[in-house]
Amino acid sequence: DSGVTQTPKHLITATGQRVTLRCSPRSGDLSVYWYQQSLDQGLQFLIQYYNGEERAKGNILERFSAQQFPDLHSELNLSSLELGDSALYFCASSLSPGDNNEKLFFGSGTQLSVL
Amino acid sequence: ELKVEQNPLFLSMQEGKNYTIYCNYSTTSDRLYWYRQDPGKSLESLFVLLSNGAVKQEGRLMASLDTKARLSTLHITAAVHDLSATYFCAVAWVRRTYKYIFGTGTRLKVLA
Repeated sequence: DSGVTQTPKHLITATGQRVTLRCSPRSGDLSVYWYQQSLDQGLQFLIQYYNGEERAKGNILERFSAQQFPDLHSELNLSSLELGDSALYFCASSLSPGDNNEKLFFGSGTQLSVL
Repeated sequence: ELKVEQNPLFLSMQEGKNYTIYCNYSTTSDRLYWYRQDPGKSLESLFVLLSNGAVKQEGRLMASLDTKARLSTLHITAAVHDLSATYFCAVAWVRRTYKYIFGTGTRLKVLA
């Protein structure tokens, strides 16, 4: 168990809908990362937050947004869903980017199916 | 933009054999990671390599880093079925912010 909690584990929804994925980082970790894993695109970095502030953006669509709350949990909001958004969404956390012992701890993921 | 490439993408090997997975990256980075993912599961950290020439070993897996060649290798010695998984390398990319960019993954299947 990595200590990173993601909910829900599975989500089935229809095109055009909006969903929210939730992530609670490991105790003490300040940084949260979101990744999208699909068969054809591999593991794509979406966005990173550190202590409540957005720090880095990757290939995140405008229909997607995220935030990190004061208690450090994070939510990824996906709207106007399309079939191509079906994927496994991972959250990862770490203590402090740049630290020599830094590494990512991954949650178990949310499997999103858009029908 | 940093690109990370792995090869091979798929690897089927017999138990007891040795093989190497390669990870190439396109720009300078000060650290490289290897992760393992079992089917339908999350990613688990295997190694963190922090400097040129770094070598780490855990059981039948050994990872090394050559920062001048921008290359890391994951060597498998005397493979066993339990090593069947997908292996990812990831490179930390620092351009004002810190990103971890993952390779394409290598799906390893060890046949009994």
